[in-house]
Amino acid sequence: EIVMTQIPLSSPVTLGQPASISCRSSQSLVHSDGTTYLNWLQQRPGQSPRLLIYKVSNRFSGVPDRFTGSGAGTDFTLQISRVEPEDVGVYYCMQATHFPQTFGQGTKLEI
Amino acid sequence: QVHLQESGPKLLRPSETLSLTCTVSGDSLISTVFYWAWVRLPPGKGPQWVGSVFHSGSTYYHPSLESRLSMSIDTSKNQFSLTLRSVTAADTAVYYCARDPGGVDFWGQGILVTVSS
Repeated sequence: EIVMTQIPLSSPVTLGQPASISCRSSQSLVHSDGTTYLNWLQQRPGQSPRLLIYKVSNRFSGVPDRFTGSGAGTDFTLQISRVEPEDVGVYYCMQATHFPQTFGQGTKLEI
Repeated sequence: QVHLQESGPKLLRPSETLSLTCTVSGDSLISTVFYWAWVRLPPGKGPQWVGSVFHSGSTYYHPSLESRLSMSIDTSKNQFSLTLRSVTAADTAVYYCARDPGGVDFWGQGILVTVSS
């Protein structure tokens, strides 16, 4: 099973300032079809997770452009250009390239 | 907008069987090309994909749960279900149903299932 490791596990941030979360996979996430199935999810307090970024760098419907995903192979990053109050929560990376799908342990973003 | 809603018991005793149902609106299970998934979030841990089912009835299960797990789909009711047998305290988690186009996108609100004697 692919292990997804997120750094940091907790990140104090300042409103209006950038933030960054790293995710590393134990194997390359490039699928045999050439696609990298690496997603980022956000879970706000008291809510269910929602998809932010899919296939490394594509913003899901309704996601603000201050969220940017990047990376390749085994190393990926989620960047927030300017943190807003509603960005508080837990962020997960997940991979769907290899069976079974696996998730990181989560990064808690707190103001 | 796709909406998913979980339903089922919230408290079970060890060795009992967990049965959950997900009702989907805003998308038709029979016409979609997506799989439909269950993901659980144990307390203090990251999410774990449990399994996925296709409208044809084909399924994929997490290897660690495969011996106790079954999933089914009822396209006439636009619902899909999970059955997990012989539960233990380790199965305590918030269970989410979700759409799975290859990495889950839309999630339900979740249901906290507690296994305790």
